[in-house]
Amino acid sequence: AQSVTQLDSHVSVSEGTPVLLRCNYSSSYSPSLFWYVQHPNKGLQLLLKYTSAATLVKGINGFEAEFKKSETSFHLTKPSAHMSDAAEYFCVVSDLGGSYIPTFGRGTSLIVHP
Amino acid sequence: NAGVTQTPKFQVLKTGQSMTLQCAQDMNHNSMYWYRQDPGMGLRLIYYSASEGTTDKGEVPNGYNVSRLNKREFSLRLESAAPSQTSVYFCASTMGGYEQFFGPGTRLTVL
Repeated sequence: AQSVTQLDSHVSVSEGTPVLLRCNYSSSYSPSLFWYVQHPNKGLQLLLKYTSAATLVKGINGFEAEFKKSETSFHLTKPSAHMSDAAEYFCVVSDLGGSYIPTFGRGTSLIVHP
Repeated sequence: NAGVTQTPKFQVLKTGQSMTLQCAQDMNHNSMYWYRQDPGMGLRLIYYSASEGTTDKGEVPNGYNVSRLNKREFSLRLESAAPSQTSVYFCASTMGGYEQFFGPGTRLTVL
């Protein structure tokens, strides 16, 4: 069984300050982990993914995430927030074998203040 | 290369009406999915198709049916729409174990 917990439903930051969106997971197998972003009234777009290679993963738009197996975490970070980063972010866990059924977190809404 | 396309983009139904949401992908992906998105609930899986010719129930299948018409197309049918089915519906596809590609969504309102 697998599950994902996004620890904050809303995160509010000022433009130019760091962003931290927290995600904890559980998985019976070696997991694949993903972060997706959804801008208002849009579909979901892949930000970055971890699939058992380097534990520090770099994504688009300056985002990165670190896979920490001992902490079962995959937190998303960005050094300096931009107004265009305001969106909903989803952490997703899956296993690579058999039937691929990913599990989504409930999402974190990132609010960026000028 | 259009990716994942969905039709229609918007739909308003009356309670009891039926409709089919269409989804197509041109990436030769094996697996396709239907999700619904409601505020504060994230994405919930309705049905999925791991490969052509197979379909399985997800977390919230009641009130829905699906058809994997061929490798490209995966449709979602509401036989008798209810207000509780008011939601945004997303189709997605993947090669399996890797990232999903999402369509732009269908906003459905059931009155």
